[in-house]
Amino acid sequence: AQTVTQSQPEMSVQEAETVTLSCTYDTSESDYYLFWYKQPPSRQMILVIRQEAYKQQNATENRFSVNFQKAAKSFSLKISDSQLGDAAMYFCAYRDNAGGTSYGKLTFGQGTILTVHP
Amino acid sequence: GAVVSQHPSWVICKSGTSVKIECRSLDFQATTMFWYRQFPKQSLMLMATSNEGSKATYEQGVEKDKFLINHASLTLSTLTVTSAHPEDSSFYICSARRRAYYGYTFGSGTRLTVV
Repeated sequence: AQTVTQSQPEMSVQEAETVTLSCTYDTSESDYYLFWYKQPPSRQMILVIRQEAYKQQNATENRFSVNFQKAAKSFSLKISDSQLGDAAMYFCAYRDNAGGTSYGKLTFGQGTILTVHP
Repeated sequence: GAVVSQHPSWVICKSGTSVKIECRSLDFQATTMFWYRQFPKQSLMLMATSNEGSKATYEQGVEKDKFLINHASLTLSTLTVTSAHPEDSSFYICSARRRAYYGYTFGSGTRLTVV
C-alpha cells in the first residue's frame, strides 16, 4: 500500500522568508501524481501545486515550488516570500493511475502546521 | 471553476438519531466522490469511494451499515450517519473527481457534533 510521510508536524517562518516542507512517499508504481494541499482555518482544502511523476521538471506556481526527487521518493514544497495568508495546515498527497475500485484515491500525509510570524 | 457545495456546514444531533450530509457538484459531473473524516489537527482519512450508480467501496474498518453513502446521480452524493453516537463527532469532507481529469474538488466540510 502507498504511504505518504510528512515528518514535520509544525513549522514556522518569518514573513517574507522562505520555508520548505518535507514529504516522502512509498510506492511501487511508476505512473502517479503528487499534490500539495493547503487547509486554512476555514478547513476548505485548496490545491497548491501538483506534479506528474513522468515530468522531470519541478512544478512551480508563483511563490510555491516543489523539489521532486523520484528516485528518492521525495516531494518537498518551498514557499518563498512567505505571507501571513500562507499560515495553514499543509498536506502532501499521492495518487496513482492503477485501476481497481479505488482508482483515483488520494493518500494524504499527516500534515504540517505552518505558522507565519509578522 | 468547479465547485462542490456541501451541506450542512455544521450540525448538532442527539445520540441515536441519523444525519444526512449532501455534496452537490454545481457545474460539472462528479463521476467519483470520496468521503473523508478528519479529527482536529489530523489528516484526512478516507472512509469510502463511490462511483455514480454503483455501490460505495468502503475502507477497512469503516462500518458500511453506519455510514451509508449514496451516489445516485452525477451531481449528488450523500453520506448518512445512522444511529449517531458521540464518537462519530468529527469533520466530514467530500471530494469530487471528474472523468479523465487529474484534479479533485473538495466540499467545504461538515462539522458533526453528537450530544
